[in-house]
Amino acid sequence: SQQGEEDPQALSIQEGENATMNCSYKTSINNLQWYRQNSGRGLVHLILIRSNEREKHSGRLRVTLDTSKKSSSLLITASRAADTASYFCATDAGPTNFGNEKLTFGTGTRLTIIP
Amino acid sequence: NAGVTQTPKFQVLKTGQSMTLQCAQDMNHEYMSWYRQDPGMGLRLIHYSVGAGITDQGEVPNGYNVSRSTTEDFPLRLLSAAPSQTSVYFCASSSGTSGGSTDTQYFGPGTRLTVL
Repeated sequence: SQQGEEDPQALSIQEGENATMNCSYKTSINNLQWYRQNSGRGLVHLILIRSNEREKHSGRLRVTLDTSKKSSSLLITASRAADTASYFCATDAGPTNFGNEKLTFGTGTRLTIIP
Repeated sequence: NAGVTQTPKFQVLKTGQSMTLQCAQDMNHEYMSWYRQDPGMGLRLIHYSVGAGITDQGEVPNGYNVSRSTTEDFPLRLLSAAPSQTSVYFCASSSGTSGGSTDTQYFGPGTRLTVL
């Protein structure tokens, strides 16, 4: 079953505004990742935040993690039309039969930037 | 590097037909996986492999088979297609030894499959 759930499901903002999307998860995690998916394409890794980190930046992206609330947020500042995409959080889904981890993805937030 | 490639990009099958979705990566990654993406469901893990000759089931394995004879290739076989298998299929490989949150997943462009 899916570990992460993104909120909101869809978000439309004007170009230049900031976009914030949230991810909640159910069980304790090692790390949390965010991915972007442009329409008709595969997912692209954006950023990884470890469980002992509270905030991480990458360019116009800022990710926060609150392990006490089991939630993460992704902020995109000064949005551009090219940021129009779906955004997914991903966390560990528990160990495999071989002792390593597998990944589980949320259902995604569909972000539309209006020029 | 081409990264992760998938063929075909689109496929239409009739119920009961079989086919193989191809996936290849040129990054020498040990961990590879197959996901399906359905509206409102996110990505669900079908099968994964931790190296050549080693595969295991994911969350939704029924109706699918995999094999891993080389590090580069990880084909997904649909044994007898059903309308419930209409979906977009993504192959991914991992930068590390696990498929978990420590490692970056590299995704192929996807195969859009319709089963009539």
